[in-house]
Amino acid sequence: EPEVTQTPSHQVTQMGQEVILRCVPISNHLYFYWYRQILGQKVEFLVSFYNNEISEKSEIFDDQFSVERPDGSNFTLKIRSTKLEDSAMYFCASSAERELFFGEGSRLTVL
Amino acid sequence: AQRVTQPEKLLSVFKGAPVELKCNYSYSGSPELFWYVQYSRQRLQLLLRHISRESIKGFTADLNKGETSFHLKKPFAQEEDSAMYYCALSPNSGGYQKVTFGTGTKLQVIP
Repeated sequence: EPEVTQTPSHQVTQMGQEVILRCVPISNHLYFYWYRQILGQKVEFLVSFYNNEISEKSEIFDDQFSVERPDGSNFTLKIRSTKLEDSAMYFCASSAERELFFGEGSRLTVL
Repeated sequence: AQRVTQPEKLLSVFKGAPVELKCNYSYSGSPELFWYVQYSRQRLQLLLRHISRESIKGFTADLNKGETSFHLKKPFAQEEDSAMYYCALSPNSGGYQKVTFGTGTKLQVIP
């Protein structure tokens, strides 16, 4: 069964450093998403991506964040200058119709 | 604005007892409602959605528009039901799904 895959599973970085989280969505899906979950809190929508552009983003997704689909398979989330409060689990998801398929998440720890 | 409320952070029940995980939502239109589940060390995955009216793993959920609720129920809890359960809402129909999650309820089934 096809799955969404994410790398790395865990990344530790220093505050102010750039981080890129990678995702390979399910191949025939057209819609891509990033969500995050700060420890002990709910899963929050960050951004959705369709047809090579952002279709919607939340207020969390400020200028420090960007997404890209550099080739036909990868979907990346970049955080330009990480802050302590960016520490969270980041989930990539993709969909073809109504169901979201999630990756296992990338845990980001900012020191 | 759309909001999903899950009032219980933790619900503990004995094996064989009935389970009801509460979910209330706030949205002015006609949303789609979902339940997602996350078993220990596994990814977030769709359990069921209101439009399909299915019973999955013995769970059912009925959309009550009058009470704006979408409670998840199972008549007899099993140990393998222990997991985090997230109620979720999407205002969209069609392929794109901006899903808003509740804070989640941890279901603990005691043997």
